Formats: sequence, structure tokens, C-alpha cells
Amino acid sequence: DTAVSQTPKYLVTQMGNDKSIKCEQNLGHDTMYWYKQDSKKFLKIMFSYNNKELIINETVPNRFSPKSPDKAHLNLHINSLELGDSAVYFCASSQDNRVGGYTFGSGTRLTVV
Amino acid sequence: SQQGEEDPQALSIQEGENATMNCSYKTSINNLQWYRQNSGRGLVHLILIRSNEREKHSGRLRVTLDTSKKSSSLLITASRAADTASYFCAGVTGGGNKLTFGTGTQLKVEL
Repeated sequence: DTAVSQTPKYLVTQMGNDKSIKCEQNLGHDTMYWYKQDSKKFLKIMFSYNNKELIINETVPNRFSPKSPDKAHLNLHINSLELGDSAVYFCASSQDNRVGGYTFGSGTRLTVV
Repeated sequence: SQQGEEDPQALSIQEGENATMNCSYKTSINNLQWYRQNSGRGLVHLILIRSNEREKHSGRLRVTLDTSKKSSSLLITASRAADTASYFCAGVTGGGNKLTFGTGTQLKVEL
């Protein structure tokens, strides 16, 4: 069974559209994250939720809105997509960063045309 | 901003050789972690070293940490073609809630 699963794997859409990416983890972890990886492979944290509560909100445009209906799910909704939003978006989860690592999903490759 | 810089950016070696990757970071960390990313895949956690540890081993992996120099290194011994991937260091900061990644090293192991 996949520990952190995100859907869809690929997403191609036009500028101006609104899209969502879903993430689910079955590890029982308390904290979930969204990371963005650009074309140069730089990974940057976007959001973090702990038990459905937002704890990290980096400098991300308001067009990006995370939603955590429960601690096993963290979805990312993006409004008015722009060309610069094209990237790979990774969901991850962790239990305690002080002793353990993150478990990442396999990524969603978003292409805005 | 990125937590750290990795060096080299790219490394190409022959199977059986050792691969060493270095990571320098900017701010104080609770621990430092190394991840592997195969092409087109997610990141896989390899090893974690706490700020009060200097060296750690896991199989063919050896990690060192020098907090005075704000640097870490990852050594992969007896490399295999399957080790071909990008390797990232990442530091836990901000009270333990935030993992910030370095720029990554692309390792290619040739047969």
C-alpha cells in the first residue's frame, strides 16, 4: 500500500484555470506538507499542517489554498493558474521531525500552457 | 530560500568507487537529513543525523556533521549503478517544524 499518495500524477491545464491536487497518507502521521520543485530541482516548502491546523505558510501567492479535512488528507487548490506555476508538487508527511524523516508522495507534475 | 548549498552539483563515477557529496547550511539546525530522488520520482529518506552527533552509518552510507562549520557530507561506498539519483541534504529548523532543502547533487554511477 502506498504510504503517501497524491493525485493526479500529471496535470496539464491552460492559464487561468483552477485546479486541485489531492494527497492522502496512511501512516498515521500528524503533520503534512506541500513542497514545490522547480525545473532546477530546487525544493521549497509551501505549507504545513499539523492535525488539520496550518503551521507553516511560506510566501506563497493567495491563489494557492491548502485544505486539510482531517489529518490524513491535505489538498492543494490553485486558482487562476499562471505559466510560472508549472512545477512538480510534492506532498509529504512526518510524525516528529526531531527523530524521523519525511515520507514523500511521488509528485504531481503540473504544466500550465 | 534554500537552507544549503551542495557540492558538487554533479558527480560521475564508475561502479565500485566511492561517492562523496558535501552540504553547507546557513542557520542552526536541530538535525540534518539526506534524501535520494530518482528521476521522476519522490524523495526517499536515507539517514538523519542529530546536531549533537558527528558521524552516523547506515549500510553503505556514512554521514558526518560539523556544526562549527555548518557542513555535512554523505559518503556512499562501493557505489552501484542503482545509486544513480539526485541527493539532497535538508536541515530541520524553526522549532522542528520545517525541513529546508539544499540544492542537490546529481550522482551518476556508470558501469
